[in-house]
Amino acid sequence: NAGVTQTPKFQVLKTGQSMTLQCAQDMNHNSMYWYRQDPGMGLRLIYYSASEGTTDKGEVPNGYNVSRLNKREFSLRLESAAPSQTSVYFCASSPPASARNTYEQYFGPGTRLTVT
Amino acid sequence: GIQVEQSPPDLILQEGANSTLRCNFSDSVNNLQWFHQNPWGQLINLFYIPSGTKQNGRLSATTVATERYSLLYISSSQTTDSGVYFCAVERFVVTGNQFYFGTGTSLTVIP
Repeated sequence: NAGVTQTPKFQVLKTGQSMTLQCAQDMNHNSMYWYRQDPGMGLRLIYYSASEGTTDKGEVPNGYNVSRLNKREFSLRLESAAPSQTSVYFCASSPPASARNTYEQYFGPGTRLTVT
Repeated sequence: GIQVEQSPPDLILQEGANSTLRCNFSDSVNNLQWFHQNPWGQLINLFYIPSGTKQNGRLSATTVATERYSLLYISSSQTTDSGVYFCAVERFVVTGNQFYFGTGTSLTVIP
């Protein structure tokens, strides 16, 4: 049981390049999330997916697209990277409300992205 | 969205001291979580606490949802407690659920 995995761990892009961040969870969770964390700030929600086949915008969706490929995988795509997208990106998942217990969101290890 | 304010922003403690971290939120929420981000960047769930009080070892948390705040207590602090503590609130919407994070309290425990 690996929990939430993210690839890559580190990435450097030039302005205008594109890339996809991958996230997978093996806990059979319904909901998945993409956040970004900038220095001195908390996490901000980019997009989330309440279930397979659905996605919705969070607080800071501009410049990103997502795809919920199946229940396990939720990818984040930067079509034309900008320096303002330099950040640490975290993927998370959570079980449905009916299955809640003490702990709620489970986070991946993060992807550190630098756009030059 | 919901504004989540945490205080203090920074805290330095001597090992063995106690502390209280506070989280205020601007609107009604369905749930609240406390997280610890260790110096390596890993985010770890501490408490899922929509209301009431919970304890886990040296840590405990209290949420008073009607007054829109939560407190995290750390007793007998250890150097391994260092890191950033985040409060996150959850609100249910039609399409699923959303989380809003505070900006965190950065804790340094010195031996």
